Amino acid sequence: AQKVTQAQTEISVVEKEDVTLDCVYETRDTTYYLFWYKQPPSGELVFLIRRNSFDEQNEISGRYSWNFQKSTSSFNFTITASQVVDSAVYFCALSHSGNTGKLIFGQGTTLQVKP
Amino acid sequence: DVKVTQSSRYLVKRTGEKVFLECVQDMDHENMFWYRQDPGLGLRLIYFSYDVKMKEKGDIPEGYSVSREKKERFSLILESASTNQTSMYLCASSNWGGAPEAFFGQGTRLTVV
Repeated sequence: AQKVTQAQTEISVVEKEDVTLDCVYETRDTTYYLFWYKQPPSGELVFLIRRNSFDEQNEISGRYSWNFQKSTSSFNFTITASQVVDSAVYFCALSHSGNTGKLIFGQGTTLQVKP
Repeated sequence: DVKVTQSSRYLVKRTGEKVFLECVQDMDHENMFWYRQDPGLGLRLIYFSYDVKMKEKGDIPEGYSVSREKKERFSLILESASTNQTSMYLCASSNWGGAPEAFFGQGTRLTVV
């Protein structure tokens, strides 16, 4: 069975703090993809990153970084020097290697960044 | 700017009504999806379509049907709305191939009373 778990339901930090959002996944596939999406108050999910199962290099994009570890089946997301605009719900998701684009989502983590 | 547009942001319907949620994408994507979002459950796939007139059930299809008569439009139908279908509904589209990223609409918050 495939499953994504985001154990942190809500996180509250003060602006400029670093924060890490955890994501643990389960799959029997050897080829798979992992995603992070952001859902701001406006509602639509915004794509942040995609990682395939053969690429364990960490990635950094500005204040965002992602740590993919197959050994622990985790794909964690860190925001450095958080800002109020980072307040949103963040979803981790898992996809098959197929062509359909179907995603299995975690429960989501609500991040509140206070000024 | 790529867009997935859902016809309504908020809807209030009565129990037993037939409800149509409409979604249009302008990116010529093959795949389209309907997800339902509930607190503590994340997003769950209701139906998806990989081509015109083609559809497949997702994880929670009971009580729903879909229609895709044109490539750009994907409709979700609640045949007889019930209170347990009160939720946020999100439409998405993506290309075919290579675990593509999905583009989402802004969501429709449906309340069934």
